[in-house]
Amino acid sequence: GAVVSQHPSWVICKSGTSVKIECRSLDFQATTMFWYRQFPKQSLMLMATSNEGSKATYEQGVEKDKFLINHASLTLSTLTVTSAHPEDSSFYICSAQPVPGLAGYEQYFGPGTRLTVT
Amino acid sequence: QKEVEQDPGPLSVPEGAIVSLNCTYSNSAFQYFMWYRQYSRKGPELLMYTYSSGNKEDGRFTAQVDKSSKYISLFIRDSQPSDSATYLCAMSGNAGGTSYGKLTFGQGTILTVHP
Repeated sequence: GAVVSQHPSWVICKSGTSVKIECRSLDFQATTMFWYRQFPKQSLMLMATSNEGSKATYEQGVEKDKFLINHASLTLSTLTVTSAHPEDSSFYICSAQPVPGLAGYEQYFGPGTRLTVT
Repeated sequence: QKEVEQDPGPLSVPEGAIVSLNCTYSNSAFQYFMWYRQYSRKGPELLMYTYSSGNKEDGRFTAQVDKSSKYISLFIRDSQPSDSATYLCAMSGNAGGTSYGKLTFGQGTILTVHP
């Protein structure tokens, strides 16, 4: 149980284009999902917290107009990188938190999406 | 100073060895402590989860939390080559409020267990 999927697993796009990454909780409902970015050999940095049916909360320094997050249902959140630039190339990972009270305080992570902007 | 400090290693041990991984932290509000394992180019996998101080054991893995010292550890007994991965500690504050669920990660320790 507690499986989170991400799609696509790897995407290459040209500078200036937009790319959408999907995060799905497959066997549980998640009122909250988180988006992280990870650079090579570095830790995960939280970008934003996504709550179903409400606007995402972005961490300091993260451009909300560049990284659009939509959490349309209890099992799906999307991250759209708009007007991508080479410096946006990174490993993007989402996590999903089960509905509180059902599975404690854990988060379950997706397999990640590797974005390369050329 | 980072909120969570973790020696990035790399750490190389022979198969069967006991591995000790640890993190220190500065934020006394942290109440939830997790250890994740991450294989290359994969998402982190939750290994252990501890609330407040104490020990927790699960198979070959033991997690310890010492809140008085702001120090947490993960021990791996009878280490196997399949344990080779990056191990990340993560912490979070009290439930509720705007910080609910927000994890602060250590840098991760790269572990290699050689046959």
